[in-house]
Amino acid sequence: GAGVSQSPSNKVTEKGKDVELRCDPISGHTALYWYRQSLGQGLEFLIYFQGNSAPDKSGLPSDRFSAERTGGSVSTLTIQRTQQEDSAVYLCASSLARWDTQYFGPGTRLTVL
Amino acid sequence: KNQVEQSPQSLIILEGKNCTLQCNYTVSPFSNLRWYKQDTGRGPVSLTIMTFSENTKSNGRYTATLDADTKQSSLHITASQLSDSASYICVVSGRGGVIIQGAQKLVFGQGTRLTINP
Repeated sequence: GAGVSQSPSNKVTEKGKDVELRCDPISGHTALYWYRQSLGQGLEFLIYFQGNSAPDKSGLPSDRFSAERTGGSVSTLTIQRTQQEDSAVYLCASSLARWDTQYFGPGTRLTVL
Repeated sequence: KNQVEQSPQSLIILEGKNCTLQCNYTVSPFSNLRWYKQDTGRGPVSLTIMTFSENTKSNGRYTATLDADTKQSSLHITASQLSDSASYICVVSGRGGVIIQGAQKLVFGQGTRLTINP
């Protein structure tokens, strides 16, 4: 079956612009996660969605970052007024349920000039 | 503080050789430990998952060990292949009602960058 997909695969933007990153989780997976991976760094948790519950936003680095998950499926991560330090690979993962193994998408490489 | 430390940071070996990657953690209380393989430009892929009661788990040429007493895990790769070149990430999941980092209380290691040379 299809895995987690993300789009775009690469995004280059200018400082100060807004960007939207999309994640399509595996069908039927109730949990969805966003992570950020900076060059040479480990994975940094950003936000977690579980079913219809309020998302866990504890990892969002600033109020410029927000995310939505519509209809319990597709999710969009929005970064407003991008800064150069936002440059990273943004990874999305989904899992069947809260405690199950997470399946990762290929990531979106964001470059802020 | 809940931490996961991996060593070495990077490793280069010849094709066909064996190698062992280390993961030490301080996450408590402990629920499970996962090893992920991340190819360049790709998302991580789960290799193994081990709970408190498991000491060894194999997945093909990959064998993970866990010592919950010393809070150490290792990933042993046998007869390495060029396709094994990747980053290997150790992820420890805590348990209990307190959320530290996301719903699963996950703590990620920095990863070991493994390069297999022909």
